Amino acid sequence: QSALTQPASVSGSPGQSITISCSGTSNDVGAYNFVSWYQQHPGKAPNLIIYEVNRRPSGVSYRFSGSKSANTASLTISGLQAEDEADYYCCSYAGSGTLGVFGGGTKLTVL
Amino acid sequence: DVQLVESGGGLVQPGRSLRLSCAASGFIFDNHAMHWVRQAPGKGLEWVSGISWNSIRMDYADAVKGRYTISRDNAKNSLYLQMNSLRPEDTALYYCVRDKTGYNLYDYWGRGTLVTVSS
Repeated sequence: QSALTQPASVSGSPGQSITISCSGTSNDVGAYNFVSWYQQHPGKAPNLIIYEVNRRPSGVSYRFSGSKSANTASLTISGLQAEDEADYYCCSYAGSGTLGVFGGGTKLTVL
Repeated sequence: DVQLVESGGGLVQPGRSLRLSCAASGFIFDNHAMHWVRQAPGKGLEWVSGISWNSIRMDYADAVKGRYTISRDNAKNSLYLQMNSLRPEDTALYYCVRDKTGYNLYDYWGRGTLVTVSS
């Protein structure tokens, strides 16, 4: 059960786009289209923003999008806004029962 | 509205036990797998344990295997986590999480209950 690999931090200016990567293996990210992304503001519970690689729950801004290539998933946030400043975590189904694995998290700073 | 309310956290000495509970409401509880996810102070999210809707399948992170036991009572719409032989590194906010699809899609989270393991 190795954690997925994310950059510790990314930053961007308002209006710009940023991408956060999430590297896994052929046993998790590469094997299934069950990658999800969560946004967490300080002191709050995480909130689901992307599921099944590129699907957005109702109410989540179109500015959030997801993709996957081989063993790496990505979250792109376009038109950065101050309210996007938060921690972001990826998660993947690990192929057996209810086993889950998270990425280490990425802190997004909006300059 | 879906609600998940955790309870049972607190300060406990190393080596002791604690049982967390999660009261679920606003959805058909036995239609969903459920999980516990924890977050140590200032750290990232860590999946701890999951249980299938019918309790047939239970899984654990390596860090807690053999010490923690997950269970559920569908008649009471409740999820539990029995934590034994607690260690300082188990100190964290423990979240109760609903799995929307059974493929680790965590669509609803509780507010968490804090477990502090310290002498």
